[in-house]
Amino acid sequence: QQQVRQSPQSLTVWEGETAILNCSYENSAFDYFPWYQQFPGEGPALLIAIRSVSDKKEDGRFTIFFNKREKKLSLHITDSQPGDSATYFCAASANTGYQNFYFGKGTSLTVIP
Amino acid sequence: NAGVIQTPRHKVTGKGQEATLWCEPISGHSAVFWYRQTIVQGLEFLTYFRNQAPIDDSGMPKERFSAQMPNQSHSTLKIQSTQPQDSAVYLCASSLYRGSSGNTLYFGEGSRLIVV
Repeated sequence: QQQVRQSPQSLTVWEGETAILNCSYENSAFDYFPWYQQFPGEGPALLIAIRSVSDKKEDGRFTIFFNKREKKLSLHITDSQPGDSATYFCAASANTGYQNFYFGKGTSLTVIP
Repeated sequence: NAGVIQTPRHKVTGKGQEATLWCEPISGHSAVFWYRQTIVQGLEFLTYFRNQAPIDDSGMPKERFSAQMPNQSHSTLKIQSTQPQDSAVYLCASSLYRGSSGNTLYFGEGSRLIVV
């Protein structure tokens, strides 16, 4: 059972456009949602994260919008740059002391110059 | 801080042979995770150690996969009788453990295993 789902599987945007990556989850106990960015040949690295008490988290050109009622969140990348081309993973964890992370299958983003 | 170190970076092994992958977590991190990454399945959780003790191995294929953490500075993932479907990038990650959510996973660069 996939606890975290992402869409689309791949996304292509032009430089300067806004890329929107979607994520949804099943478990109401999840309260922390990090997004990881992965470049080819590297491991994923934390990009930005949000807690369920917030509905928005911004860091430069990257913004997470969170809808707790619908169990959905999205990552918006404004003014997309070719250097943003990477795979983005949405993840979730619960405040149970167990501290495991559940990952979506990722969205591959390509930004065309 | 050197980050999470994984060796080997690439390994080609024949079907039926054994493969052992190593991970050195970031010093001071008490939680170590192993994931398998493929195009089709994405990031699949395999197993998780905390303070060297196995906490959850629910993602491990039971028959041929095993993981150990003999000391706080390294963990190993062993695959016996490797099969072509084991071909993947195996990622190790470590984090501090604070007993709550919000911890950051720090990933290594991965070990790419190819079974021919």
